[in-house]
Amino acid sequence: EPEVTQTPSHQVTQMGQEVILRCVPISNHLYFYWYRQILGQKVEFLVSFYNNEISEKSEIFDDQFSVERPDGSNFTLKIRSTKLEDSAMYFCASSKTGKTEAFFGQGTRLTVV
Amino acid sequence: EDKVVQSPLSLVVHEGDTVTLNCSYEVTNFRSLLWYKQEKKAPTFLFMLTSSGIEKKSGRLSSILDKKELSSILNITATQTGDSAIYLCAVEGSGNFNKFYFGSGTKLNVKP
Repeated sequence: EPEVTQTPSHQVTQMGQEVILRCVPISNHLYFYWYRQILGQKVEFLVSFYNNEISEKSEIFDDQFSVERPDGSNFTLKIRSTKLEDSAMYFCASSKTGKTEAFFGQGTRLTVV
Repeated sequence: EDKVVQSPLSLVVHEGDTVTLNCSYEVTNFRSLLWYKQEKKAPTFLFMLTSSGIEKKSGRLSSILDKKELSSILNITATQTGDSAIYLCAVEGSGNFNKFYFGSGTKLNVKP
């Protein structure tokens, strides 16, 4: 069964460093998303991406964050100058269209120390 | 502000019991409501509901949407220990595709 895959599963980084979280969405999906879940809190929307551009972003997704689809398969989230409060589980999701269910990857647990 | 509220926050039952989980929402331009099961990590998709009053069923799980009451329920019959998880309700709205607002989840613990 096709699935969204994310790498790495766990990333530890020092405060101030840049990290890139990687995702391979389901192959025939056209819409891609990043969500995050801080430990013990709700899953929060970060950004949606379609047709090689951001279609929507939340207030969390400021200049510290960027997304890219560098090739036909990968979808990345870059976090610059990481802060302690960026520690969270980051989920990538994809959907076939804008009106169908989104499927989530297993997540990358980011720990900023 | 868009809001999704789930109840109860947690629930402990015994195997074989039936449970009903609730989700209520206040979301602008409602498009759909989804239920996910979150075990160790990723939310796994259960149901997507767009029309009021139409029950969706998968094995022992079923769900229905009530657009008049702005709510949905997820029923699990004959619960098993493998049903233990956090059940998340997510609502899509505000005019944009697949921007989901998640509830805090209901933590279900099924004891043998």
